Amino acid sequence: SQTIHQWPATLVQPVGSPLSLECTVEGTSNPNLYWYRQAAGRGLQLLFYSVGIGQISSEVPQNLSASRPQDRQFILSSKKLLLSDSGFYLCAWSPGQGLFNIQYFGAGTRLSVL
Amino acid sequence: GESVGLHLPTLSVQEGDNSIINCAYSNSASDYFIWYKQESGKGPQFIIDIRSNMDKRQGQRVTVLLNKTVKHLSLQIAATQPGDSAVYFCAENMGYGQNFVFGPGTRLSVLP
Repeated sequence: SQTIHQWPATLVQPVGSPLSLECTVEGTSNPNLYWYRQAAGRGLQLLFYSVGIGQISSEVPQNLSASRPQDRQFILSSKKLLLSDSGFYLCAWSPGQGLFNIQYFGAGTRLSVL
Repeated sequence: GESVGLHLPTLSVQEGDNSIINCAYSNSASDYFIWYKQESGKGPQFIIDIRSNMDKRQGQRVTVLLNKTVKHLSLQIAATQPGDSAVYFCAENMGYGQNFVFGPGTRLSVLP
């Protein structure tokens, strides 16, 4: 069966520090991968998605970047965190082929920038 | 855990009653819909999905209804249990190659 791992679960970082959140998927090949941010009282905002190694699409301009160095690894990064980067970050995957594909989410990372 | 949805609409139901959670979607071209359940501090979990060529789909204790005329989606939970307490999101997909758009969510609170 497929599983998705996301870490760390919580992170407290000072303003201006770098960020690296990692997400890995097991049990599938060529998945589509996603990074979302969830603010309190709001739905999920798509930040980045990837359909293959090295292929990254950004949905919103921001202080963050994403990379996919391996087929089942997706990394969310920042060189200098802002206060507004605080939030709950979710990684998700879906099958790479097919028309109607469910997205499966990781457990999330709560990021607090102080 | 993460305080998801501090100002979300809240639905309170008595344990054992049926729950109905509603969602208005935005795009008449959307052809695939998913309901997710999110417990505090956790990632969303898939509950049930429905394609636009269907009006109703049933799962275990859950039913999703789709009304394309008024762009409305609902999730019915039968015999609601304390473990059903969570935030529920609907998500719409506007077709192949498109990404999902998520609703703001509804908090379901089950009263003993």
